Amino acid sequence: AQSVTQLDSHVSVSEGTPVLLRCNYSSSYSPSLFWYVQHPNKGLQLLLKYTSAATLVKGINGFEAEFKKSETSFHLTKPSAHMSDAAEYFCVVSDDSSASKIIFGSGTRLSIRP
Amino acid sequence: EAQVTQNPRYLITVTGKKLTVTCSQNMNHEYMSWYRQDPGLGLRQIYYSMNVEVTDKGDVPEGYKVSRKEKRNFPLILESPSPNQTSLYFCASSPRPNRGGRWTEAFFGQGTRLTVV
Repeated sequence: AQSVTQLDSHVSVSEGTPVLLRCNYSSSYSPSLFWYVQHPNKGLQLLLKYTSAATLVKGINGFEAEFKKSETSFHLTKPSAHMSDAAEYFCVVSDDSSASKIIFGSGTRLSIRP
Repeated sequence: EAQVTQNPRYLITVTGKKLTVTCSQNMNHEYMSWYRQDPGLGLRQIYYSMNVEVTDKGDVPEGYKVSRKEKRNFPLILESPSPNQTSLYFCASSPRPNRGGRWTEAFFGQGTRLTVV
């Protein structure tokens, strides 16, 4: 059975400092992994995705994530936080082609201090 | 513009009064699904549909119904809403999996905030 764990429910960083949002997954097979962002009162937007190609994945707005099979992790990073990055972030895992097998993490709220 | 459109965006209703939340996508996607989002729980899948006239239960289907009579539309029906269905609801659509059989992306609507009093 697959699952995804976001290790922090809330992360707070200062503007201009690095961002690290942690995600660990459990999957029976080689998974597809995604990060979505949700700004206040908005829908979900895809930040980046890993689907068995390069393990270091670059996304929009300067975010990137690295798939580490040995650690079953897919942490999201950004070198320098911007005020506009304040949002909720969801790690998502899918390990097959069924529409019923897309699992969301519980989310990490990112706050940016001026 | 490729998009998933939900209506209404906000809805306050009373217990037991039937309601429908509509969802429409213009990307010709086969797969559509409904999620509810509650604080600390992420998104949980309510129902999904693999194609027209093909629907199945997700993780939290109790109290909900869906239909898929046309490819573009996937309405969510609450026959007798209760306060525990107060939540933020998202509709999503996805293309067929890629050649490797993996999901590549889901496109989400803007959400419907439902309050049942």
